[in-house]
Amino acid sequence: AQTVTQSQPEMSVQEAETVTLSCTYDTSENNYYLFWYKQPPSRQMILVIRQEAYKQQNATENRFSVNFQKAAKSFSLKISDSQLGDTAMYFCASTFSGGYNKLIFGAGTRLAVHP
Amino acid sequence: KAGVTQTPRYLIKTRGQQVTLSCSPISGHRSVSWYQQTPGQGLQFLFEYFSETQRNKGNFPGRFSGRQFSNSRSEMNVSTLELGDSALYLCASSPGTGRTYEQYFGPGTRLTVT
Repeated sequence: AQTVTQSQPEMSVQEAETVTLSCTYDTSENNYYLFWYKQPPSRQMILVIRQEAYKQQNATENRFSVNFQKAAKSFSLKISDSQLGDTAMYFCASTFSGGYNKLIFGAGTRLAVHP
Repeated sequence: KAGVTQTPRYLIKTRGQQVTLSCSPISGHRSVSWYQQTPGQGLQFLFEYFSETQRNKGNFPGRFSGRQFSNSRSEMNVSTLELGDSALYLCASSPGTGRTYEQYFGPGTRLTVT
């Protein structure tokens, strides 16, 4: 069975600093998609960044970037220049063949950004 | 484009009752997926509808059902409610075809079963 694991239940960072959230997954497939979603206190789930497994280049979206290590099945999220508005739950998620619109989520990491 | 909308936003029901939740996807999106979010189980996939057909299904009992209309709007129904069904129910829409598998979520419906 495919699984997604986030081993850091909570993390905190000072404003303007950099933080990295970890995610590992388990699959025997070769084609899949990986995502990071952000859920602020408002509960609205927001897509932060996505990565296609067949692409070697790490995805980047402004202050957000990923470190995708396919062989290690690792997909970490780096947030640079952290802002107070980054305070939220962050979920790592993946889709696999046979269910590309079926997201499998990790348990989430609660990130607190302090002034 | 308008985002994904869900109605109602909050709902309180009694054990044994049934409930229907509604989701309107982003215009042009043909796939709607439903998720249940609870503190204990986290985010779990319920099912996905595409072009009025259920395309994927998660591991939930038959009390959970859904449907999709020709305009891509989707409804989810839970019959014989149990206390454990209290959760935030999220729907997400995506184009459903091509190589874009990003899902865009609605604000959710908070269901409380008493």
